[in-house]
Amino acid sequence: SAVISQKPSRDICQRGTSLTIQCQVDSQVTMMFWYRQQPGQSLTLIATANQGSEATYESGFVIDKFPISRPNLTFSTLTVSNMSPEDSSIYLCSVGTGVDTQYFGPGTRLTVL
Amino acid sequence: DAKTTQPNSMESNEEEPVHLPCNHSTISGTDYIHWYRQLPSQGPEYVIHGLTSNVNNRMASLAIAEDRKSSTLILHRATLRDAAVYYCILRLRGQGAQKLVFGQGTRLTINP
Repeated sequence: SAVISQKPSRDICQRGTSLTIQCQVDSQVTMMFWYRQQPGQSLTLIATANQGSEATYESGFVIDKFPISRPNLTFSTLTVSNMSPEDSSIYLCSVGTGVDTQYFGPGTRLTVL
Repeated sequence: DAKTTQPNSMESNEEEPVHLPCNHSTISGTDYIHWYRQLPSQGPEYVIHGLTSNVNNRMASLAIAEDRKSSTLILHRATLRDAAVYYCILRLRGQGAQKLVFGQGTRLTINP
């Protein structure tokens, strides 16, 4: 199994500012992912965080808005840039292990005013 | 990715069994059926997965139809803690490290 922590757990931000969310795993993992969950909705994948190379973004998400870093096999950050109220969501990181299970962090609840 | 269809919501009583259905009529021979659940204010957690045979673990059982076009997650004795959104997801064999594609899931309410 993998234990994942995220910081901050929640934040309230002003529009036009940026927030960086951290994801820390207790073991080395190959794949890390960032998801967004808008209010009352299911999870949508933002990007796959690749160690040592640029993240792979899903359709509708761009690097300028959601820059991602993955400096090593246990840590990743997601920045939500130039925020607007539409960015108010829960942001979750997850990790894939070599077998079938994915593990999720507790999420970061972001409110943009 | 092959699509799954689940009821939007279901309701059950505490200490009774719960059967959560999932239709996946376009499933391919190499797709595994995975279930995750998301408790309130938490990230999703893995529940169970299977390919063809029925599967049991400490959390639940998974019953898979013979033609694999549908499956049912069974909670044998629901507790209030089982109230969550349950997601049925298809994944290719060996893609445990790959991304998950979530549908809308079934919101399960447990009545005391």
